[in-house]
Amino acid sequence: AQSVTQLGSHVSVSEGALVLLRCNYSSSVPPYLFWYVQYPNQGLQLLLKYTSAATLVKGINGFEAEFKKSETSFHLTKPSAHMSDAAEYFCAVSEGSGSRLTFGEGTQLTVNP
Amino acid sequence: DGGITQSPKYLFRKEGQNVTLSCEQNLNHDAMYWYRQDPGQGLRLIYYSQIVNDFQKGDIAEGYSVSREKKESFPLTVTSAQKNPTAFYLCASSIYTGYEQYFGPGTRLTVT
Repeated sequence: AQSVTQLGSHVSVSEGALVLLRCNYSSSVPPYLFWYVQYPNQGLQLLLKYTSAATLVKGINGFEAEFKKSETSFHLTKPSAHMSDAAEYFCAVSEGSGSRLTFGEGTQLTVNP
Repeated sequence: DGGITQSPKYLFRKEGQNVTLSCEQNLNHDAMYWYRQDPGQGLRLIYYSQIVNDFQKGDIAEGYSVSREKKESFPLTVTSAQKNPTAFYLCASSIYTGYEQYFGPGTRLTVT
């Protein structure tokens, strides 16, 4: 069965600084990996996904993530944080078609002016 | 304009009453899901359906029921047997299970 761990339930950065949100997964087969963002009192929005194509995946709002099989990681980055990036971010993993999507516990990102 | 709709946005009920939350999608997705979200606890899967007229329990199905009579619709009933129903409920869909899920805006249920 797959699992996902998000390191750090709260991350705080200054506006303009690098954003790095960590996600490690375990999976018995090549995984599908996803990052979602959730703003207060809203549903989750898909930021990006990895489904065994290019290991560096670009998403919306300037975010990207790199799949590293050797490290079983799929960390989310953005070169320069904006105030509007303040939200909760969820990493998720599945083992492909027919399997469940397993979500991490989430990381709350705060952006300081 | 394709997407998932949940209604209402806010719902208030008295303890002991059943309440049904609506979820509709026009994405032509086969799979649909219900999650519960509590502060600091991430998302917990209540029920999911891979196809019309079929559904499976998730991790916290006790006190909830669902139906899937149409591909577009997956209503969730919170019964009086659910001990702590106050929460934020999210509906999602995907083309098949295991693929990216698309979420509705959520319904915040408050039971007093």
